[in-house]
Amino acid sequence: KAGVTQTPRYLIKTRGQQVTLSCSPISGHRSVSWYQQTPGQGLQFLFEYFSETQRNKGNFPGRFSGRQFSNSRSEMNVSTLELGDSALYLCASSLASENTEAFFGQGTRLTVV
Amino acid sequence: DAKTTQPPSMDCAEGRAANLPCNHSTISGNEYVYWYRQIHSQGPQYIIHGLKNNETNEMASLIITEDRKSSTLILPHATLRDTAVYYCIVRVSYGGATNKLIFGTGTLLAVQP
Repeated sequence: KAGVTQTPRYLIKTRGQQVTLSCSPISGHRSVSWYQQTPGQGLQFLFEYFSETQRNKGNFPGRFSGRQFSNSRSEMNVSTLELGDSALYLCASSLASENTEAFFGQGTRLTVV
Repeated sequence: DAKTTQPPSMDCAEGRAANLPCNHSTISGNEYVYWYRQIHSQGPQYIIHGLKNNETNEMASLIITEDRKSSTLILPHATLRDTAVYYCIVRVSYGGATNKLIFGTGTLLAVQP
């Protein structure tokens, strides 16, 4: 079956702009989580959505937001981009069960100039 | 959130077993240990997970100590393609399934020819 799909794969934006990233989970997966990866901070949890509701949130400013649609597809938005937002953004999907694994997409590489 | 401690790097000869240790002394009784690996700039790849029993799949074996305070990931016959950063993660649980993964700094495994 198809894996987790993230679009776009690469993106270049200017400071102050906003950006929307998309994540299509594996069919049947209702949980989608987002992560930011930078060389300095490593992989950091942003937020998790389950059945269109945000279930967990990491320690990021309010400029980072997300949503999930009824088909479980998710988007994350970053407003007023800063140079430090340049990162690899990853999403992962999983079934709603403790004894299951999360599968990651290939990520969106965002560069802010 | 339970944290994990891993050595920053390890070397392994091609064809030999790679044993990657992880300490998770604050793990709770219902939290699972997960292992992922990440090859440069790709999304993390799921390897294996377990609760208290040893687990084996086509990729690796997971050995969890009886007190659950540490575990070891074993790649039985390492190849050059196994060179990656390996992450040991305790999956956070809030009375139900959650997709929040707290990544540490991981172990960079370098398989040498």
